[in-house]
Amino acid sequence: EVQLVQSGAEVKKPGESLRISCKGSGYRFASYWITWVRQMPGKGLEWIALIDPSDSYVNYSPSFQGHVTVSADKSISTAYLQWSSLKASDTAMYYCARHVRDCGRGSCYDWLDSWGQGTLVTVSS
Amino acid sequence: QSVLTQPPSVSAAPGQKVTISCSGSGSNLGTDYVSWYQQLPGTAPKLLIYENNKRPSGIPDRFSGSKSGTSATLVITGLQTGDEADYYCAIWNSSLDTWMFAGGTKLAVL
Repeated sequence: EVQLVQSGAEVKKPGESLRISCKGSGYRFASYWITWVRQMPGKGLEWIALIDPSDSYVNYSPSFQGHVTVSADKSISTAYLQWSSLKASDTAMYYCARHVRDCGRGSCYDWLDSWGQGTLVTVSS
Repeated sequence: QSVLTQPPSVSAAPGQKVTISCSGSGSNLGTDYVSWYQQLPGTAPKLLIYENNKRPSGIPDRFSGSKSGTSATLVITGLQTGDEADYYCAIWNSSLDTWMFAGGTKLAVL
């Protein structure tokens, strides 16, 4: 069974750093991209970035570029999302998801088939 | 501001049918494949539909998806109170390597 298990809730102060994690199991971790998604309180889903764990290729949403860093360690099947200086506006639920790409039929099809349970990040002074 | 647009809310009675639309443009929905995600209250999103109209195993056939031109539609028949959730459409833009999510639709089963 494919599973993505995220690290627990965090409470931080503005200006502090933070790294949250997403550990995959039940599949070959390096074979699938991982995407990170933000959900602010009462709001919709926002795409943050994706990473290819096989070579650590990363692509960021322009809205998040420069404010977060995404990385992965394929040896322990774990992806990370980190901040060097948190802001109160970073308060949100953060999800990781597995990106499936199927290019076997003349075109490529993409979807997010498994999601982590979410990590709640609260930034408050 | 998302480039994909969904109605903020829809509602219907138990047993009825509801449709949720997802509108885009020729540069996104016109060329890319849509997936739909269901987010029950207090839980993580879950894949409902992929490749415009395919259901993962375990998703009942009460849920169906379609796409025509620059619009996609999620149809839920035989509504149940357990279907109350937020529903999101999304597309993968392979030219930019980015995901685009619509703003989501809250379904109320009255």
